[in-house]
Amino acid sequence: DGGITQSPKYLFRKEGQNVTLSCEQNLNHDAMYWYRQDPGQGLRLIYYSQIVNDFQKGDIAEGYSVSREKKESFPLTVTSAQKNPTAFYLCASKEGWGTGEAFFGQGTRLTVV
Amino acid sequence: EDQVTQSPEALRLQEGESSSLNCSYTVSGLRGLFWYRQDPGKGPEFLFTLYSAGEEKEKERLKATLTKKESFLHITAPKPEDSATYLCAVQHLNDYKLSFGAGTTVTVRA
Repeated sequence: DGGITQSPKYLFRKEGQNVTLSCEQNLNHDAMYWYRQDPGQGLRLIYYSQIVNDFQKGDIAEGYSVSREKKESFPLTVTSAQKNPTAFYLCASKEGWGTGEAFFGQGTRLTVV
Repeated sequence: EDQVTQSPEALRLQEGESSSLNCSYTVSGLRGLFWYRQDPGKGPEFLFTLYSAGEEKEKERLKATLTKKESFLHITAPKPEDSATYLCAVQHLNDYKLSFGAGTTVTVRA
């Protein structure tokens, strides 16, 4: 089945630690995205990538890093510099310049303990 | 700066009571406007794409419309299963950036 997979579903991190969230897609999409969602809030864009080995900062990139070494993978690292990392993280992928819709994973809920 | 603003933040409806959600946008060139539905703890599910002013799309009890500055999602005779958060997003004309609004949480009571 084609789709986008995020793992893990739940993640706990101690303060001061870096943690990496996984996002894999088998839809052959060019574009991939990372969003953060806080309770009762919409989606805020962290980073996005239009092509392998290239990515752009979104609206709230501070404290996060990404890589795009393969077309199907777009991992997000939440670094210790992110002061309030507890949130629901969503990954999405989309065909390139076309106006096809973005497909979302089921999310990773990160909690700092 | 690009902005996507949704209103109201929350909407409580009686079953069968039709209503509309608003998404107003300010973007430097619009490639497409998207509507999604999100259930608690889940990823958003795609509903509609609108490309140009005057366009309309329908699916069951939902109908989306687009003008040059805003989009409406009309819910006709809603049922409790229509309860969800509805999100609006815009894709920029000249890059792949996809920006979302804060959403409208709809609760439909039986």
